[in-house]
Amino acid sequence: EAQVTQNPRYLITVTGKKLTVTCSQNMNHEYMSWYRQDPGLGLRQIYYSMNVEVTDKGDVPEGYKVSRKEKRNFPLILESPSPNQTSLYFCASSWTGGAGQPQHFGDGTRLSIL
Amino acid sequence: AQSVTQPDIHITVSEGASLELRCNYSYGATPYLFWYVQSPGQGLQLLLKYFSGDTLVQGIKGFEAEFKRSQSSFNLRKPSVHWSDAAEYFCATQEYGHKLVFGAGTILRVKS
Repeated sequence: EAQVTQNPRYLITVTGKKLTVTCSQNMNHEYMSWYRQDPGLGLRQIYYSMNVEVTDKGDVPEGYKVSRKEKRNFPLILESPSPNQTSLYFCASSWTGGAGQPQHFGDGTRLSIL
Repeated sequence: AQSVTQPDIHITVSEGASLELRCNYSYGATPYLFWYVQSPGQGLQLLLKYFSGDTLVQGIKGFEAEFKRSQSSFNLRKPSVHWSDAAEYFCATQEYGHKLVFGAGTILRVKS
C-alpha cells in the first residue's frame, strides 16, 4: 500500500531536548516536504526536498533542520525545541514536486513542548 | 504571493442537507486548486483538483467543486451530507511548481 509513514504519532517533551520526527514514503517519490498545522493558520511549509541531498527552506524554517540522505526518508529535527513549536506536523511527498501533482500526506505527528 | 481564504471557520449542517464550503484565491493566472479533507487523527486526503478545462470538477465521496474565475472562487459542494463527512476541509493552491498554499480550513459539523 502506498503510504507516507510518520513516527512518532504523539510526543510530549520538554524545552531544549533534541527530538527527531521520522518520515518515510514507499512510492519512490523525489519530492518530500514538511508542514506544520496550527489553528486558524492552515498548513505552512517548513522545509522541502526536491531530491536526495537537495533541501530548501519553506515559509517557517526557524528552529528546524532536515536531511535527505535517502530518497525514501526525510526526517525533521528540532535541535532545541521550544513551546512555540507545539503543533501538528505533516510530512508529504509527490513524484517530482511539479505543478499540479497531488501531494500524499502522512497521518501527522502531534508535538507538545512543555 | 498567492493566498487562499476560507471565510467560514465552522459550518454546521443537518445530515441529508446540501453543503457548500467557500474558497477564494488570489493569483493572476489560472491556478492549480485542490480540496483536501482531514478526518480526526488522520492526514489530509485529496478530494479533488482543478488545473484547466471544465470548470466543474468531480471528486471522491460525492463532492464537486466549481472554478469561477470572475469571482476567484473554488467552492466545494455536496448535495447530501452524511455524518461521516464531519471533518476539517482545506482549500489549497499551488505556487511556483511545488509549494501548496493552504487556507485556514473549515470545520464541518453534521447534525443528526
